[in-house]
Amino acid sequence: EDKVVQSPLSLVVHEGDTVTLNCSYEVTNFRSLLWYKQEKKAPTFLFMLTSSGIEKKSGRLSSILDKKELFSILNITATQTGDSAVYLCAVEGGSYIPTFGRGTSLIVHP
Amino acid sequence: DSGVTQTPKHLITATGQRVTLRCSPRSGDLSVYWYQQSLDQGLQFLIQYYNGEERAKGNILERFSAQQFPDLHSELNLSSLELGDSALYFCASSVGGTSTNEQFFGPGTRLTVL
Repeated sequence: EDKVVQSPLSLVVHEGDTVTLNCSYEVTNFRSLLWYKQEKKAPTFLFMLTSSGIEKKSGRLSSILDKKELFSILNITATQTGDSAVYLCAVEGGSYIPTFGRGTSLIVHP
Repeated sequence: DSGVTQTPKHLITATGQRVTLRCSPRSGDLSVYWYQQSLDQGLQFLIQYYNGEERAKGNILERFSAQQFPDLHSELNLSSLELGDSALYFCASSVGGTSTNEQFFGPGTRLTVL
């Protein structure tokens, strides 16, 4: 059974801090790893990673995948209150079934 | 606004009842995914349809069923409802049939079973 573990479960920081969110996984026939941001309601897509060592970047957010050690990290630099959300990590393997982690709740105080 | 619509927004019903949740994907998207999100289970994949055909099946109970119609909208039917079925149900759509295509989530339907 595919498995995704995210850490920490919860994080409280001040604006301007840098945070690193972790996602480790076990999956058969890895296809992709995805990061989503969930604010009040629906998750919104952030990144998709399929290859090791290639950093994906979007503004202050970046992510990288390590397929050998089976983990990914999501970095957010110079955090803002608008970054407050639950960040979800998901993996898809050969079964085509996406498996989500429980998420990391990030709270950014002004 | 992701372009994915879901109706209704909220649904309150009693145990033993049957409900239908509806989802319209973004224009041009062929895949529809259904998810259940509850406080104790997190986001759980239920089922995926691609261009009218079932593509992948996750932890979907036998009391639940879904289909995708020729116009690509999808319905999730939940029957013999139990208290534990109370959750937020999301629909997502994507252009292709795998998660290598970005999924766009609808606003969700909050189901409360009393």
